[in-house]
Parts: sequence; C-alpha cells; structure tokens
Amino acid sequence: GAGVSQSPSNKVTEKGKDVELRCDPISGHTALYWYRQSLGQGLEFLIYFQGNSAPDKSGLPSDRFSAERTGGSVSTLTIQRTQQEDSAVYLCASRGGGAEKLFFGSGTQLSVL
Amino acid sequence: SQQGEEDPQALSIQEGENATMNCSYKTSINNLQWYRQNSGRGLVHLILIRSNEREKHSGRLRVTLDTSKKSSSLLITASRAADTASYFCRAGNMLTFGGGTRLMVKP
Repeated sequence: GAGVSQSPSNKVTEKGKDVELRCDPISGHTALYWYRQSLGQGLEFLIYFQGNSAPDKSGLPSDRFSAERTGGSVSTLTIQRTQQEDSAVYLCASRGGGAEKLFFGSGTQLSVL
Repeated sequence: SQQGEEDPQALSIQEGENATMNCSYKTSINNLQWYRQNSGRGLVHLILIRSNEREKHSGRLRVTLDTSKKSSSLLITASRAADTASYFCRAGNMLTFGGGTRLMVKP
C-alpha cells in the first residue's frame, strides 16, 4: 500500500478480554516497530522486527503482550487479559532496508473499560 | 537508556515567532531525524541530518547538529498555528524516542 495501515483505528474492550491489533507495513519494508503512547506522554517502545531475525522484545511490559509478524509483512500485536492501564494509542512504524526514516501508521486507540 | 531527549518539554509562542527545540543524545550516531506528531496519532518525518553535516534547511525548518556536544536543534521560523504539534528526535537507529517537545502556536 501507499502507507502504513493500522486496524482497527479505535477499539473499546472490557477489562479481561483479549485484543488483537493489526499493522500492514509499506510493501517491501523489512523493519517493523510497535510503540505505545499514553495520553500526553512520549512513545514507549514495545517490539522491533527486522527481516528474519529474532524480534527485539525488550520493550514488552508484561507477558500479556505478544506480537508476531507473518511472512515478513503483516504484524499483529496481541494483548491478553486487558487491563485499564493498557488504554493508549498503539503505533506501528516500518522502515525500508538500508534506510533511516520511519513511516508511521495512524495508530489504534485502545480503550479498556 | 534513551538515546534522544528533547527540551523544552513544552513551548508556547505567538504566530510569526520562531520556535527552537533541542535534542540531546548519548552515543555516536550517523544521522539524526526529527518527527512531528499531530493529535496524538502517527509521527511524520520532517528532516534528517547526517553526522557530517552541521546544518540543513527545509522550507521553514532549520536543523543543526553538533556531534561534539551530542546535540541537535530544530528551528521553525515564522511559526503558524498549524505548526502546533509535538516534535520528537530520533538519534541514529535508536528504538526509543524521548518525551518530545509540545509546541503550541497561538494565533
């Protein structure tokens, strides 16, 4: 596609439910990043995929969070047993191999009631 | 530890004035990027400066890089209300961003 696409744009869920957030990076981009941003705060790094290498999961806040990237393209971030503190905007970004610039999606606003 | 830290955290100016925000980082880099974020959604890349450049211009944006001080500045000249946003720097290939500078331009 022309840009990074994230879905859904908004998600409201009940505490304790599982959610899946999707990211479609720019075609051909080998690097993919997930970030979380709480209201009025900076970006919190979650996870980084680069090609076929093992992902850098150092930013995942708990074992309730996981992510996968199938076929080196689409990525899904899964949050199990959601908590109210998980409410935030989840941003995905991709980068082409050898390039420096990140391209961001519009994010998914997650609200946990 | 975070590579890029922006200051000030918040800046409020009148339309037409210039806005300057700074970024400090900790290790050697080969480039530094500035991004803008409107309304808490996706960041947009503004400008990239390489380690062998001291200054770069793009429209009303002027970026400087001082590798000896490990710092960069972003200057927005003749600011407009539409420049109201948060601005972030990214040092090299770092995974993390700083807290950003929240710029408000008052009409």
